[in-house]
Amino acid sequence: NAGVTQTPKFQVLKTGQSMTLQCAQDMNHEYMSWYRQDPGMGLRLIHYSVGAGITDQGEVPNGYNVSRSTTEDFPLRLLSAAPSQTSVYFCASITGGEAFFGQGTRLTVV
Amino acid sequence: GEDVEQSLFLSVREGDSSVINCTYTDSSSTYLYWYKQEPGAGLQLLTYIFSNMDMKQDQRLTVLLNKKDKHLSLRIADTQTGDSAIYFCAERRAGGGNKLTFGTGTQLKVEL
Repeated sequence: NAGVTQTPKFQVLKTGQSMTLQCAQDMNHEYMSWYRQDPGMGLRLIHYSVGAGITDQGEVPNGYNVSRSTTEDFPLRLLSAAPSQTSVYFCASITGGEAFFGQGTRLTVV
Repeated sequence: GEDVEQSLFLSVREGDSSVINCTYTDSSSTYLYWYKQEPGAGLQLLTYIFSNMDMKQDQRLTVLLNKKDKHLSLRIADTQTGDSAIYFCAERRAGGGNKLTFGTGTQLKVEL
């Protein structure tokens, strides 16, 4: 998936723990975003960024924070994980017509 | 509404053509996309079409866009077993971080 790298690929958290999902792109794209994928619900937008220093909320932002200090990196933070945040998380990077996604992070909160 | 709709399943024989359909709702969509997702894997961008085009061909893939009816289709010629996967269409809207709105996916099964 052309230049979008997500880490880790898998993670198990206990309720209340915090963690950061990493996303990096090497294509110098301005637009980056985070989605979560849940069975039967497709992909839903969590947060997005239109450039370094600029972030905004998507449709399901509660429980997540983001920052964009560089063009390349767009980390997603879970401050206090909840079982409802068990999901597959995808980072996207967009320029022109192209919209590339990372390989995903599969997160389980127990 | 904001729904992007797709049928849930499609089964074809190897060597036949597959046609996966999608309807969307926003006439201001700028681009429309097709992604492929294999089990446990990420979203692979297959192709996309700008909203002022009505067709795009890329090797075995043909995308048709009927903007009047807000209908998008993906035709896969000479379908192979390796094409078995879930296919998502998505529309992208201007502004709002270029949000992509996805359908719930069509599971394509290719039988021998």
